[in-house]
Amino acid sequence: QVQLVQSGAEVKKPGASVKVSCKASGYIFTSYDFNWVRQAPGQGLEWMGWMNPNNGDTDYAQRFQGRVTMTRDTSKRTAFMELSSLRSEDTAVYYCATIDFQDGDHWGQGTLVTVSS
Amino acid sequence: EIVLTQSPGTLSLSPGERATLSCRASQSVSNNYLAWYQQKPGQVPRLLMYGAYSRAPGVPDRFSGGGSGTDFTLTISRLEPGDFAVYYCQQYGSSPFTFGPGTNVDIK
Repeated sequence: QVQLVQSGAEVKKPGASVKVSCKASGYIFTSYDFNWVRQAPGQGLEWMGWMNPNNGDTDYAQRFQGRVTMTRDTSKRTAFMELSSLRSEDTAVYYCATIDFQDGDHWGQGTLVTVSS
Repeated sequence: EIVLTQSPGTLSLSPGERATLSCRASQSVSNNYLAWYQQKPGQVPRLLMYGAYSRAPGVPDRFSGGGSGTDFTLTISRLEPGDFAVYYCQQYGSSPFTFGPGTNVDIK
């Protein structure tokens, strides 16, 4: 079955970068786009962008432009989301997700990123 | 950017009752590309509906979606204990694929 396993929790200082990984299994890696969604503590969902694992094409939400980079390593069946110039407001759980309306959605377990001095 | 507004913020109902959730967009959602997600405490979101009224695989038929343009609804015909959760709408017709702030359906 489809499974997305994300890297573990991170604690970063303001101004640093974080790179979250999302390892996929149980399906053809290039079948579904990867979406990245974050959720601040006690808050709602925020879409950050998506990446096409076939060709690496990306679409980022404007508010993250210049700070976010989504990539993949097809040989390792892994997608990555890197966020730079971190600030306290970036403290959140970061999710990768594949959302195919015919086959359903699959989500990673989430990665808590804490930004604190 | 399309801004989504959900109402009410909280809906307090009893099991067996009908729930009607609203999602309003600041501009027309292209092709009615509007999805609904359910999120229970401590869990990841789950896709319920897409294209405004199509159920995702495995979603029971007590969930139904409707609407078009800027006004959309999610209806749960008879609430079951497992349905008490937060519900988010998301438009994916134009980037960024924004989410609404959510409606919390809790037990009365």
